[in-house]
Amino acid sequence: DGGITQSPKYLFRKEGQNVTLSCEQNLNHDAMYWYRQDPGQGLRLIYYSQIVNDFQKGDIAEGYSVSREKKESFPLTVTSAQKNPTAFYLCASRGTSWWGELFFGEGSRLTVL
Amino acid sequence: QQPVQSPQAVILREGEDAVINCSSSKALYSVHWYRQKHGEAPVFLMILLKGGEQKGHEKISASFNEKKQQSSLYLTASQLSYSGTYFCGTENVGGFKTIFGAGTRLFVKA
Repeated sequence: DGGITQSPKYLFRKEGQNVTLSCEQNLNHDAMYWYRQDPGQGLRLIYYSQIVNDFQKGDIAEGYSVSREKKESFPLTVTSAQKNPTAFYLCASRGTSWWGELFFGEGSRLTVL
Repeated sequence: QQPVQSPQAVILREGEDAVINCSSSKALYSVHWYRQKHGEAPVFLMILLKGGEQKGHEKISASFNEKKQQSSLYLTASQLSYSGTYFCGTENVGGFKTIFGAGTRLFVKA
């Protein structure tokens, strides 16, 4: 079945460490997204990519980095520069139309100790 | 830039109706609606495009007023399964960038 796979589901990190969250999709979608969700809050856009080898900053990109070397993969690195990284991270993808439905992964919950 | 949702929370009894609103200060091309259960991924409900159309899905429907840059989600004869947080997501023309509201928590009790 087609879908989006995020890993790991839960991750603990010590302060000062970088961590990379994986996002893989087999939907053949061009556009991919990373959102951050804090308790009781909405989804805030970190980065998005419309095509391979191209990505744009979202509203809260500071302290994060991404790459898009393959169509199916869009990993997110949470760097030590991110001041408050504990959150629920959601990856999403979108098909042919720029306004279409977003398909979400199950999310990765990052806790910084 | 983030769309504004109202109300922030609502409690219903089974069978009651609810309306959730989403408004933007910018011109919109499309509005999405999603429902999220605690700890899970958001689930797509419907999308409305510029043109003021109204859509329905069983007992859940929505409208989009492009003049006011507002969308409303209508939940009729609510069921326990409707509980969750509802988010609207918006896009400007040609934007690719989907921005979400802060969400509306809906709790349906028996």
